[in-house]
Amino acid sequence: DQQVKQNSPSLSVQEGRISILNCDYTNSMFDYFLWYKKYPAEGPTFLISISSIKDKNEDGRFTVFLNKSAKHLSLHIVPSQPGDSAVYFCAASEWGSQGNLIFGKGTKLSVKP
Amino acid sequence: DAGVIQSPRHEVTEMGQEVTLRCKLISGHNSLFWYRQTMMRGLELLIYFNNNVPIDDSGMPEDRFSAKMPNASFSTLKIQPSEPRDSAVYFCASSLRAGEQFFGPGTRLTVL
Repeated sequence: DQQVKQNSPSLSVQEGRISILNCDYTNSMFDYFLWYKKYPAEGPTFLISISSIKDKNEDGRFTVFLNKSAKHLSLHIVPSQPGDSAVYFCAASEWGSQGNLIFGKGTKLSVKP
Repeated sequence: DAGVIQSPRHEVTEMGQEVTLRCKLISGHNSLFWYRQTMMRGLELLIYFNNNVPIDDSGMPEDRFSAKMPNASFSTLKIQPSEPRDSAVYFCASSLRAGEQFFGPGTRLTVL
């Protein structure tokens, strides 16, 4: 059973608008969450993270929101740019797991000029 | 630093052959992770090491798969014998502490 779920396999957004990527998790022991971005023929690269003691973390155009009661997190990209077109993976880990990350299946974001 | 290095980038082999994938960690990192990515299952953790010791290999699909860390900076993932269903992109990643992992560019394996 998937512990980290990204229910939207794809998302298309107009340049300049907001992109919202969603992620749900089932394991209440998860306390650290990350978003990775992946371009074709490359490995995933770290984008932004949030620990369970916070509900928001912002880095430039990227903001991650965490709703622990709903076991839900989201990544907001605003404004979206064509270069943001990639597959975005949500990942989660549990304190003491020595860094073992559980990944969602990814959401392919397409930002149209 | 060159980042995580994987070789080969592409491998095409015939069913039954042995395949060896290689990974060089980022200098100073002490954890190493092997992942497999497929369309059906997404990014799956196969095995990870901490300080050269395998910590969790529950993701290794079968005995045909084995992984080693002969030293602190290098790891191999071996599939023997390979099967067409092993076709996937295999990533390794390294980290210094729990949290952010740095991924290599991946090895695309095709087993005919």
